[in-house]
Amino acid sequence: GENVEQHPSTLSVQEGDSAVIKCTYSDSASNYFPWYKQELGKRPQLIIDIRSNVGEKKDQRIAVTLNKTAKHFSLHITETQPEDSAVYFCAASKPGTYKYIFGTGTRLKVLA
Amino acid sequence: DTAVSQTPKYLVTQMGNDKSIKCEQNLGHDTMYWYKQDSKKFLKIMFSYNNKELIINETVPNRFSPKSPDKAHLNLHINSLELGDSAVYFCASSQGSADGYTFGSGTRLTVV
Repeated sequence: GENVEQHPSTLSVQEGDSAVIKCTYSDSASNYFPWYKQELGKRPQLIIDIRSNVGEKKDQRIAVTLNKTAKHFSLHITETQPEDSAVYFCAASKPGTYKYIFGTGTRLKVLA
Repeated sequence: DTAVSQTPKYLVTQMGNDKSIKCEQNLGHDTMYWYKQDSKKFLKIMFSYNNKELIINETVPNRFSPKSPDKAHLNLHINSLELGDSAVYFCASSQGSADGYTFGSGTRLTVV
């Protein structure tokens, strides 16, 4: 069945360093790939997304890359700050299915 | 002005009871969802509705019954609660089937 694998499950970086989280999806028909940030006790919030007709998208310190051939997509956070500490989820969706398949989450800790 | 609001935020109840969670969105979105987040933070689709019509019922026990009186509301009723139902339940909405979700603040259900 449809599956999204996410790695690593935990990631610790020093403040100011970069963080990279990787996801792999199984269904080649997937065409929409959002990333969510969930702070402790809060709701998941959309931080960036990418569609399959684009290879890269950037928003300030956050970027997402997509390799359709390999069915990989990645989240890149540069110049990390303590407030970036949270659980990050990737997801994949395909047209007409009305659901995401979420990855298992990555707990990012930014050490001051 | 909350975009997706859920009530209650916390729900503690005994096994065997029946309870409801309410969700309302003021974004004018056509699609609404219920997701369950377990203790390991995994987010799993339960139901999705598009314009009040059930689109997805993801192998959820019959004890869970969603109801959508109009496209701005999606409620979840749970009968005969079990210990394993303890989780955080998130309502979400989106404009289309492959668009970003806006999540509600979640309902932490504890069954004792």
